[in-house]
Amino acid sequence: QKEVEQDPGPLSVPEGAIVSLNCTYSNSAFQYFMWYRQYSRKGPELLMYTYSSGNKEDGRFTAQVDKSSKYISLFIRDSQPSDSATYLCAIRDRSNDYKLSFGAGTTVTVRA
Amino acid sequence: DAGVIQSPRHEVTEMGQEVTLRCKPISGHNSLFWYRQTMMRGLELLIYFNNNVPIDDSGMPEDRFSAKMPNASFSTLKIQPSEPRDSAVYFCASSRGLTQETQYFGPGTRLLVL
Repeated sequence: QKEVEQDPGPLSVPEGAIVSLNCTYSNSAFQYFMWYRQYSRKGPELLMYTYSSGNKEDGRFTAQVDKSSKYISLFIRDSQPSDSATYLCAIRDRSNDYKLSFGAGTTVTVRA
Repeated sequence: DAGVIQSPRHEVTEMGQEVTLRCKPISGHNSLFWYRQTMMRGLELLIYFNNNVPIDDSGMPEDRFSAKMPNASFSTLKIQPSEPRDSAVYFCASSRGLTQETQYFGPGTRLLVL
């Protein structure tokens, strides 16, 4: 079993829809939770990070963490064609701060 | 600030040849990471350095892979001899320190081994 599971999709939504992405993880020692966005033929870039259960908002993006269920989510409101990308969750545990465990990535297409 | 720089951006080589990938981290960043991305296995950490010293190379798949960081502004990942299954996108990333949340990724080197 992989440490981080993420449905690779692909996911296609119309412009303006809410995009919902999620990952599950198995290691309860995981402490830092991140979402990276990767455009086609580019390197991943950090979108959001959080280290506590609950919600964190940044503009149209909301990251949600439920440590009791080992479940993290990313919501994109009012999605735009420019949000079309692959979204990877990345998680880090407290004993290996520097090692990120990545999900497989979910490819999202927002149709104009 | 110029981000992480990688070269070459694309490499096509024949099986058995030596391949050298290069990375220049962001100035002032002390930690450097090499990742490999494939459709089958996703993004995998190969090796990382802190203050030019290799900390963990447990992700390096085989002895054919080696990495060096001779100074704070340069690192190489070498594959010798290369094999078709090494075909992937190789990313270099840097961060201010090992405990920093943000790793900044380069554009990647797309390697195809025929």
